[in-house]
Amino acid sequence: DTGVSQDPRHKITKRGQNVTFRCDPISEHNRLYWYRQTLGQGPEFLTYFQNEAQLEKSRLLSDRFSAERPKGSFSTLEIQRTEQGDSAMYLCASSLKGALFFGSGTQLSVL
Amino acid sequence: GNSVTQMEGPVTLSEEAFLTINCTYTATGYPSLFWYVQYPGEGLQLLLKATKADDKGSNKGFEATYRKETTSFHLEKGSVQVSDSAVYFCALTDGGYQKVTFGIGTKLQVIP
Repeated sequence: DTGVSQDPRHKITKRGQNVTFRCDPISEHNRLYWYRQTLGQGPEFLTYFQNEAQLEKSRLLSDRFSAERPKGSFSTLEIQRTEQGDSAMYLCASSLKGALFFGSGTQLSVL
Repeated sequence: GNSVTQMEGPVTLSEEAFLTINCTYTATGYPSLFWYVQYPGEGLQLLLKATKADDKGSNKGFEATYRKETTSFHLEKGSVQVSDSAVYFCALTDGGYQKVTFGIGTKLQVIP
């Protein structure tokens, strides 16, 4: 399977803990995106990379969130000191130019 | 900034009925427009796209026409099937294909 893969599929954590998610994009895609989706809502933009450069970060994203894409390949999204409001589906997508190809997401539950 | 407004669901139709899901947008410049679909338990998939005014995107019997004069990109299908039951998202991106902005999604339920 050469699609976008995300790991883990599900994560349950306690409030205050740190969590890290991984995304492996389609290999030839140079753009990588992170979105967050809650029930009944559309995906909400978090951040975007072109190769290894983080070009845009949502103003809604608190300082507890950080994303990296070393060497322009896979990406990680870390949430520090998780809060119950962070519970959501975290989606990764990649593109070469144009439409996005999404992974299946990581469902985060903060207890 | 860019925004997408789409009709709220859920939309419930009988099999073989005609489907329209309305989508309007606000954007600067010349955006590209998309419809994505999310089937139950699956990730988002691109359904169709249009990159300039008057373009018609089509796929799997679905169609949408980029109408710049009305800033709309309504999704239509002539005869829906039970297998079309899903959530449909209208989306746009700027000319540089950077941030993609999504609508809230419209849930479609097709009953036999």
